Parts: sequence; C-alpha cells; structure tokens
Amino acid sequence: KAGVTQTPRYLIKTRGQQVTLSCSPISGHRSVSWYQQTPGQGLQFLFEYFSETQRNKGNFPGRFSGRQFSNSRSEMNVSTLELGDSALYLCASSPGLSLHEQFFGPGTRLTVL
Amino acid sequence: GENVEQHPSTLSVQEGDSAVIKCTYSDSASNYFPWYKQELGKRPQLIIDIRSNVGEKKDQRIAVTLNKTAKHFSLHITETQPEDSAVYFCAASLGAGGTSYGKLTFGQGTILTVHP
Repeated sequence: KAGVTQTPRYLIKTRGQQVTLSCSPISGHRSVSWYQQTPGQGLQFLFEYFSETQRNKGNFPGRFSGRQFSNSRSEMNVSTLELGDSALYLCASSPGLSLHEQFFGPGTRLTVL
Repeated sequence: GENVEQHPSTLSVQEGDSAVIKCTYSDSASNYFPWYKQELGKRPQLIIDIRSNVGEKKDQRIAVTLNKTAKHFSLHITETQPEDSAVYFCAASLGAGGTSYGKLTFGQGTILTVHP
C-alpha cells in the first residue's frame, strides 16, 4: 500500500497570509490526525477527522481549521499567519477504530516570514 | 489533559551498548503507548507499541515495558548500532471515545547518538 502523502512539502508565506495543506491517507484509512512539530513545543495535536467529521480538537486558536473529504483526504488551513506558525505540519492516518497505530506523512515545512 | 514526560532528553552510547528511554504519563485511563523514531528530515516511524493489558513486548532488539501502577513505560534497545541514532518519541493515548479520538500526546523526545 502507498504511504501517507502530504503536499506541498515546503511553503514560504508572509505574516497575515493564509495557507492550505493537504494530506492523503493510506488507502482504507478513514481517520486523519494533524500535528504541529516545533523544536520548542515538540509534537502537538491539532485535530482529528473521521468520515468527514471532526471528532477531536487540540488547544490551538480558531485560525487553525481543517476538513475531510469523502475519499478521506484531508486539508488543514491556517489563516492570518503569524511568525510562530512556522513549523513542520504532520498528518497521520489510521483505520480510525479503537487503538490503532498512526502512520505519519512526510510533513509540510511551513516558514512564515 | 494528558501529560507525558520523557527522559533523558539526550543519550549517548557506544555501539553494542544498551539504551533505555523512560516516559511517565498522567492520565491513568491511557491505554495505548506507541514509540516513534524520527531520523533527521524524515517522518516519525512507529517502531513498537504496547497496550495497557500487556506488561512487556519485544521485537528483535527493541522492547517496551509498561507499569500501569506507576504510570510509566520504557523503551529498551539492545546491541545498539549507529543506524539507531535518531530522535525517539514516546506517546500515550486514551484510545477511542470522547476527547481522545485520534490524539496522541507525545513526550518531548530523546536524541539518541550511537558512537561507532
């Protein structure tokens, strides 16, 4: 099976702009979780989607949002970018049922100038 | 919410030695504990996981132990090799239901360096 893919791999934006990141899960996986990885805060959970519904959300401001499509592909959007949003954004897919391992994508490196 | 503490933050060993990384968690309801290895510039990769109904799990040179009473779990790597050098993350999950869906709470990571 093909692994989790993310596009784009790298992004450079300026403060105030918005950005959309995409994640394609492993075929058959219905759950997609998003994480932000920074040197200072480590890996932090943003939100999780399953069958087009957000089931869980982490402690991030409303500027961070997401959605999931009927084919399980997911997007996350960050509006009004701030310098502190510079990070590696990782998505992870799993079957979505009970205690299943999460498989990570390669991430999108976002730099906000 | 759940909090996961990981120690040490850096670990340096000689090739062939063993390495141990320890994590503690705060929520006694956590029931799934994966370990991820992340090489520089790469994605985190699951190397081993354990569920709360099991005390120990082994996979070749890697083992994980879980002490539910003390709320801590550890990763053991034996006969370390230079290619084991990476950042290792522990995580905890409440599993399915409520505010736990799809959420892994990670430790801060351990930079493991194996010297040839």
